[in-house]
Amino acid sequence: GNSVTQMEGPVTLSEEAFLTINCTYTATGYPSLFWYVQYPGEGLQLLLKATKADDKGSNKGFEATYRKETTSFHLEKGSVQVSDSAVYFCALRDSNYQLIWGAGTKLIIKP
Amino acid sequence: GAGVSQSPSNKVTEKGKDVELRCDPISGHTALYWYRQSLGQGLEFLIYFQGNSAPDKSGLPSDRFSAERTGGSVSTLTIQRTQQEDSAVYLCASSLAGYGETQYFGPGTRLLVL
Repeated sequence: GNSVTQMEGPVTLSEEAFLTINCTYTATGYPSLFWYVQYPGEGLQLLLKATKADDKGSNKGFEATYRKETTSFHLEKGSVQVSDSAVYFCALRDSNYQLIWGAGTKLIIKP
Repeated sequence: GAGVSQSPSNKVTEKGKDVELRCDPISGHTALYWYRQSLGQGLEFLIYFQGNSAPDKSGLPSDRFSAERTGGSVSTLTIQRTQQEDSAVYLCASSLAGYGETQYFGPGTRLLVL
């Protein structure tokens, strides 16, 4: 079946460090891929998405490229801020309507 | 415009009691979804509505769980005879249509069953 695997957290970085959160998936067909973010005390928000191979989603300085050959959708940011501290979820949607979720990665940015 | 809203934001109940959780989707969104987020785990799909119909109820964990949607808008998730393992955050999302559209999430209802 379809599944999403993302790196375990927490990930702790200093401000202005480079961020990578790995996400790989298993799916039949051609899924759409998403990163959602959950800030402390808030609901899930869509961060970025990509709907086909080689698409790059970007928002708020974050980027992720849909890599079909490696079945990956790694999240990156060149210089993180304390305000980026949150839990990040990778998810896919295949030909169905459900979102299949990774377990989430908690990111802690220290000043 | 307003986002997805859910009520209550927190609910504490005793084991065996029934609870109702409410979701108000974004106006005009025809698709509505319920998910559950248990402590330390990822999100689990519960049910999906397209309009007032629920073509897929496969994610409901037991027959104690039911959901309805009226007027193509508000949805209620009901848990009967709650158990401690029902404790979780229940999230509602809506989208313009069931396929190909981004799902927008509400803040969730945190349910604690004592």
